[in-house]
Amino acid sequence: DSGVTQTPKHLITATGQRVTLRCSPRSGDLSVYWYQQSLDQGLQFLIQYYNGEERAKGNILERFSAQQFPDLHSELNLSSLELGDSALYFCASGPGGAYNEQFFGPGTRLTVL
Amino acid sequence: DQQVKQNSPSLSVQEGRISILNCDYTNSMFDYFLWYKKYPAEGPTFLISISSIKDKNEDGRFTVFLNKSAKHLSLHIVPSQPGDSAVYFCAAGGGGFTIGNDMRFGAGTRLTVKP
Repeated sequence: DSGVTQTPKHLITATGQRVTLRCSPRSGDLSVYWYQQSLDQGLQFLIQYYNGEERAKGNILERFSAQQFPDLHSELNLSSLELGDSALYFCASGPGGAYNEQFFGPGTRLTVL
Repeated sequence: DQQVKQNSPSLSVQEGRISILNCDYTNSMFDYFLWYKKYPAEGPTFLISISSIKDKNEDGRFTVFLNKSAKHLSLHIVPSQPGDSAVYFCAAGGGGFTIGNDMRFGAGTRLTVKP
């Protein structure tokens, strides 16, 4: 158990819809990272927050947005969903910094029909 | 952009033998490298890391080798055990605080260790 929790575990929705994925980081971790893993793809970095502020952006679509709240939990919002958005979405947390590992949650599997 | 490549999607080895997983990267700014292990229905877990000031880092049965000139790193597992069967991700990042800005993961290699 990494100490990172993600809800829901599974999500099935239709194209055009909007969903919100939730992540609670490990106690004490200030950084939250979001990743997408599509079929046969590696982990694509989406976005990082540190202590409530956006720290870094990766390959995140404009239809996607995220935020980190004062209690440090984070939400990833996916809107105008397309079939290609079906993937595993992982949240990771860590203390931040260049040489600190990230601890991953179990992921949310999103299926867009 | 495929800055981190794991060219072998799968690898099968016999229990007790050595497993060698390979990873290549293209960005010479990367100076910190990690291996993660992922079991089905779980998130990846950190396994071992190496910074560019070293060429080898060992932790028990796991050793990571870094060849900066070739932009290549490898993970050696000796001896391999059936419990090592998982998907292994190689990751590379730049230095500085915003490591999340340039952390890149490979596509993963599925290791199967046969009893």
